[in-house]
Amino acid sequence: GAGVSQTPSNKVTEKGKYVELRCDPISGHTALYWYRQSLGQGPEFLIYFQGTGAADDSGLPNDRFFAVRPEGSVSTLKIQRTERGDSAVYLCASSSYGEVISYNEQFFGPGTRLTVL
Amino acid sequence: AQSVSQHNHHVILSEAASLELGCNYSYGGTVNLFWYVQYPGQHLQLLLKYFSGDPLVKGIKGFEAEFIKSKFSFNLRKPSVQWSDTAEYFCALLTGGYNKLIFGAGTRLAVHP
Repeated sequence: GAGVSQTPSNKVTEKGKYVELRCDPISGHTALYWYRQSLGQGPEFLIYFQGTGAADDSGLPNDRFFAVRPEGSVSTLKIQRTERGDSAVYLCASSSYGEVISYNEQFFGPGTRLTVL
Repeated sequence: AQSVSQHNHHVILSEAASLELGCNYSYGGTVNLFWYVQYPGQHLQLLLKYFSGDPLVKGIKGFEAEFIKSKFSFNLRKPSVQWSDTAEYFCALLTGGYNKLIFGAGTRLAVHP
């Protein structure tokens, strides 16, 4: 497809369970970002990948959160021992990254709405 | 500390009214600013961006924003809104070596016909 896609669109889980959220970036985009948007707030940065490596994971709230991008394309955000406070919309974005700053435009996916009961 | 604040959380206007949404930022580095829009049921889309040069930036759908360095502001404007502008608007600052967006809390705009 032409845009960033995320699956599932909705995920309901119980407290303490493990969840995986998937992001398919725009083809050819080397940079990938995860954000979390809680109700009534703007998106909050979680982690940034350049290729396969996590170049900046300073936004991950704690060690229950982990993300991978093993082949430099699809990324999975993993949350262990989910808590009710993890309920939010998880957004993925991708961008082409080059020398010219204007290429850093981030294109967002539709998000995964996670509800932890 | 790096931050973005949006003054108005909810704005209600009638069609043809003028719009100005406030955005202020706090950042000590090179300033790169964005306005994103999220229409009902859709994903975030870029409205306009400021990197350097002319502080008056024009975006899509008749929107513009003015970067005023002395006021640490990047307010969004549109001279005449339409019902289709009903959406949530987010101001964002690019930081962290150009790999991290810091968003404001957003402003929900409702335009009545």
